[in-house]
Amino acid sequence: GAGVSQSPSNKVTEKGKDVELRCDPISGHTALYWYRQSLGQGLEFLIYFQGNSAPDKSGLPSDRFSAERTGGSVSTLTIQRTQQEDSAVYLCASSLYARVRGQETQYFGPGTRLLVL
Amino acid sequence: KQEVTQIPAALSVPEGENLVLNCSFTDSAIYNLQWFRQDPGKGLTSLLLIQSSQREQTSGRLNASLDKSSGRSTLYIAASQPGDSATYLCAVNSKAGTALIFGKGTTLSVSS
Repeated sequence: GAGVSQSPSNKVTEKGKDVELRCDPISGHTALYWYRQSLGQGLEFLIYFQGNSAPDKSGLPSDRFSAERTGGSVSTLTIQRTQQEDSAVYLCASSLYARVRGQETQYFGPGTRLLVL
Repeated sequence: KQEVTQIPAALSVPEGENLVLNCSFTDSAIYNLQWFRQDPGKGLTSLLLIQSSQREQTSGRLNASLDKSSGRSTLYIAASQPGDSATYLCAVNSKAGTALIFGKGTTLSVSS
């Protein structure tokens, strides 16, 4: 079946511009996560959506970052006034919510490679 | 604050060798531990998920063990192949459905 998809696959932008990154989770997955992978930094959590609950935004690095999830499916991560340090691979993952233990495997998309010049 | 460490950072082995990748975490109150594989320029592929109550999981040539009390997990790869060359990431979470905390990975190179 279809996995997690992300678009665009690559994005080059100029410092100060806004960017939007899109994630389409696996159909039926109620949990959606955004992570960032920077060179030398490893993977870090950004934001988490679960059903209709308020999102967990505890990983967002600044108020320039925001995300929304419409209709419980597609999610958009927006970075305003981009800075060079925002250059990274942005990864989206989805999972079933744990009604049955052991089904919470997170499945990742291919990522969006963002370069801020 | 949970921290995940993976040792070694890089490993090179000849084809056919059995090998062990190590993962340690500072807070033993985990919910799940997950092992992933990442190929260069690609996303993450889930390999194995171990629940906190489990001791190990197996998939093909891969076996992951968990010693929660000591904060350790190992990923055992049997009869390594060049196609196993990738970065292997270990991650844990603390509650159902919460975000994963990742180690920085072990980059494995298997030569033919």
